[in-house]
Amino acid sequence: DVKVTQSSRYLVKRTGEKVFLECVQDMDHENMFWYRQDPGLGLRLIYFSYDVKMKEKGDIPEGYSVSREKKERFSLILESASTNQTSMYLCASSRLADKTLNEKLFFGSGTQLSVL
Amino acid sequence: SQQGEEDPQALSIQEGENATMNCSYKTSINNLQWYRQNSGRGLVHLILIRSNEREKHSGRLRVTLDTSKKSSSLLITASRAADTASYFCATDAGLYSGAGSYQLTFGKGTKLSVIP
Repeated sequence: DVKVTQSSRYLVKRTGEKVFLECVQDMDHENMFWYRQDPGLGLRLIYFSYDVKMKEKGDIPEGYSVSREKKERFSLILESASTNQTSMYLCASSRLADKTLNEKLFFGSGTQLSVL
Repeated sequence: SQQGEEDPQALSIQEGENATMNCSYKTSINNLQWYRQNSGRGLVHLILIRSNEREKHSGRLRVTLDTSKKSSSLLITASRAADTASYFCATDAGLYSGAGSYQLTFGKGTKLSVIP
């Protein structure tokens, strides 16, 4: 069964801390994504990666960075956590698609991050 | 850059009734996808419909796509309490963002409650 695993279900951090959110997929997918989900705002794309060491900014990359050193792992980094980064963070992956097709996303269970 | 918008925001029905949710989008798409999210969990892919398709079925789900009106609908027939969840449409907005990757933009979702 396909799986996207996020390292923590709940996380509480203090303002100014460096925070690492880890995501691992076992489907050999090329594409990996980080979204955040907030009430009333839906899902917003932070960063995505379509290959090892490749990354592209999504709609709201400010305050975040990412790392993709291995194909199966995509990390989201909050360099200096702030209270407005309190949110549900969702990782997803998909396989490579050609230019006319898009593949479905497989999501992890999410990490609820609280920054105090 | 919000693309898909679901309507209604919330829907409450009795078990056994049909539930219809709508999605409108603004720009041309290659395909449109529907996802379900149970409370506090990740999203699960339900169905993908391509821009050259008008209707698609999967079990109790029926999706229609009208590209001239830039809208889609998701119909769940004979609803069950287990269908209680939020439902999201996602569109690619025709933006090719990298090798084999289109950015998916999600709407804010329709919260469906099925009362036993």
